[in-house]
Amino acid sequence: SAVISQKPSRDICQRGTSLTIQCQVDSQVTMMFWYRQQPGQSLTLIATANQGSEATYESGFVIDKFPISRPNLTFSTLTVSNMSPEDSSIYLCSVGGEVGAEQFFGPGTRLTVL
Amino acid sequence: AQSVAQPEDQVNVAEGNPLTVKCTYSVSGNPYLFWYVQYPNRGLQFLLKYITGDNLVKGSYGFEAEFNKSQTSFHLKKPSALVSDSALYFCAVRDPVDSSYKLIFGSGTRLLVRP
Repeated sequence: SAVISQKPSRDICQRGTSLTIQCQVDSQVTMMFWYRQQPGQSLTLIATANQGSEATYESGFVIDKFPISRPNLTFSTLTVSNMSPEDSSIYLCSVGGEVGAEQFFGPGTRLTVL
Repeated sequence: AQSVAQPEDQVNVAEGNPLTVKCTYSVSGNPYLFWYVQYPNRGLQFLLKYITGDNLVKGSYGFEAEFNKSQTSFHLKKPSALVSDSALYFCAVRDPVDSSYKLIFGSGTRLLVRP
């Protein structure tokens, strides 16, 4: 299984600012995913990030709000832009899932927006 | 559209008793099904999956799950619960024909195992 790290592990931010979350994997992977887990809620997929192509966003998520970079096969970033308190969530990256394989998740970034 | 239902927000069991966490799904065709566990302030940990083959699948920490196609269910079970099993459990489904590989998660079930 892949070992995934995320930075920062948690942050408290002021509304109107932006935060970039990093996701690092210990092996090369084709597909990376970004999920949001709002307080007391389940996980919702934000976007899929493949190296060398634009991220694919799910309904309700837009690139201007959640720009994603995927510069290589081991790294991705998610930026939460112009934050509001409604963006307070845990943000998780994951890898894997091809051909029936399971996805492995990072430890998450707990974001609080004041 | 794909969907997953976990009808119980919380399941309470006594240590040593068997536990069941329920999951039903809706997906066209044959689904890929997964169970994950989330401990406080931790990410999701993979427990087990059903892709094809034997309907009873065994996973980590003594958990198992049974795929029932006629009932479109994939309930998580353990013969003897431990206090340390207390956590949040998520069922997830993927449509094999969906090339995006994305997972659709259920709402989660909190398991409380009392000593």
